[in-house]
Amino acid sequence: AQKITQTQPGMFVQEKEAVTLDCTYDTSDPSYGLFWYKQPSSGEMIFLIYQGSYDQQNATEGRYSLNFQKARKSANLVISASQLGDSAMYFCAMTLDFNKFYFGSGTKLNVKP
Amino acid sequence: EPEVTQTPSHQVTQMGQEVILRCVPISNHLYFYWYRQILGQKVEFLVSFYNNEISEKSEIFDDQFSVERPDGSNFTLKIRSTKLEDSAMYFCASSEARRIRRGGGYTFGSGTRLTVV
Repeated sequence: AQKITQTQPGMFVQEKEAVTLDCTYDTSDPSYGLFWYKQPSSGEMIFLIYQGSYDQQNATEGRYSLNFQKARKSANLVISASQLGDSAMYFCAMTLDFNKFYFGSGTKLNVKP
Repeated sequence: EPEVTQTPSHQVTQMGQEVILRCVPISNHLYFYWYRQILGQKVEFLVSFYNNEISEKSEIFDDQFSVERPDGSNFTLKIRSTKLEDSAMYFCASSEARRIRRGGGYTFGSGTRLTVV
């Protein structure tokens, strides 16, 4: 069963504008963690931001923020003031037990100058 | 910042050959993982390893795969007889503990791109 869904295979955004990458998840477990990773063309997985299921506030890390809507089971990534270097694949991931991660299919973001 | 190191970054192997992918987890981490990403697809969990034994494995992790921690620092993934469909990026990861914690504590390596020809 699909646990993480990313419905946007590709997105374009103008440099300096904000962009939202969508992620929905599926679990009945009350305890889980949600992550976003950036994967540039070189292939490595770069941790961006984390949201715990019990966190009351939305996570923020610099230009990244996570719009966590628990009732809707969504955890959208917002990148403010996009930069050319933000062009990459972005993966949403969930862990229920901090043992293994379930990844979405990814969104390829292209930032246009 | 501590890193998970994977070598080599790219490996080409003939179909049917054995290949060993190497990883050096973060030194104080106790839990180790391998993931696979076929080109253009999602990252998939293969196996987790703790206390010198496999704690969980996915259906992908069949008898062709094995993992080992041969010494105090390395963590390896062996594919006994590679197939064309084993071509993928393989990520190693390590974590300090198995509990939800903020962001850090679960770190991926930069991956080994395996090409089977």
